[in-house]
Amino acid sequence: QVQLVQSGAEVKKPGASVKVSCRTSGYTFTGHYIHWVRQAPGQGLEWMGWIKPNSGDTKYAQNFQDRITMTRDTSISTAYMELSSLRSDDTAVYYCARVNDQGLPDYWGQGTLVTVSS
Amino acid sequence: VLTQSPGTLSLSPGESATLSCRASQSVTTNFLAWFQQKPGQAPRLLIYGASSRATGVPRRFSGSGSGTDFTLTISRLEPEDFAVYYCLRYGSSPSFGQGTRLEIK
Repeated sequence: QVQLVQSGAEVKKPGASVKVSCRTSGYTFTGHYIHWVRQAPGQGLEWMGWIKPNSGDTKYAQNFQDRITMTRDTSISTAYMELSSLRSDDTAVYYCARVNDQGLPDYWGQGTLVTVSS
Repeated sequence: VLTQSPGTLSLSPGESATLSCRASQSVTTNFLAWFQQKPGQAPRLLIYGASSRATGVPRRFSGSGSGTDFTLTISRLEPEDFAVYYCLRYGSSPSFGQGTRLEIK
């Protein structure tokens, strides 16, 4: 069965970077884009960007253009999202999601809580 | 931009719920989905293509609409249906609505 398993919770200081991993299984990793979505405490869902695992091509939401990097390691079917220059308002749960060929998120990771605090 | 209304909906089990999602521009190819989210959980896909139910979703959930106006209807609310619901325009540059909280009256 399709599974996306994310790395554990992180606590970071303002100005630091965080790298969240999303290990996939149960399907062909290179056959589906991976999207990243975040949710601040008590807030809604915010799309951050996607990576095409086959080529490494990426597209980022404008809000994150300057400080986000998405990568992948096809040998271990894992996608990564790194966010730099962290601020307190980056405190959120970060989700990875597999999308189908129409861009519909059909499987989600369990989420990774990133807390930014001095 | 997707605008959901109402922000909060207070209903009793057994009643029907109507949630709205309005797009600032036409959603071509009806790439509009609805998700349910409960506290501490990832979003769960309910409806895609504006009106197709995802696998395992009960028949009391139905989606309708096209263009800029979309609706999620939940008939005969069950206790487990009280949650937050999001619409999503999916594709290469996805956009979420801000959510509707469905709470027990």
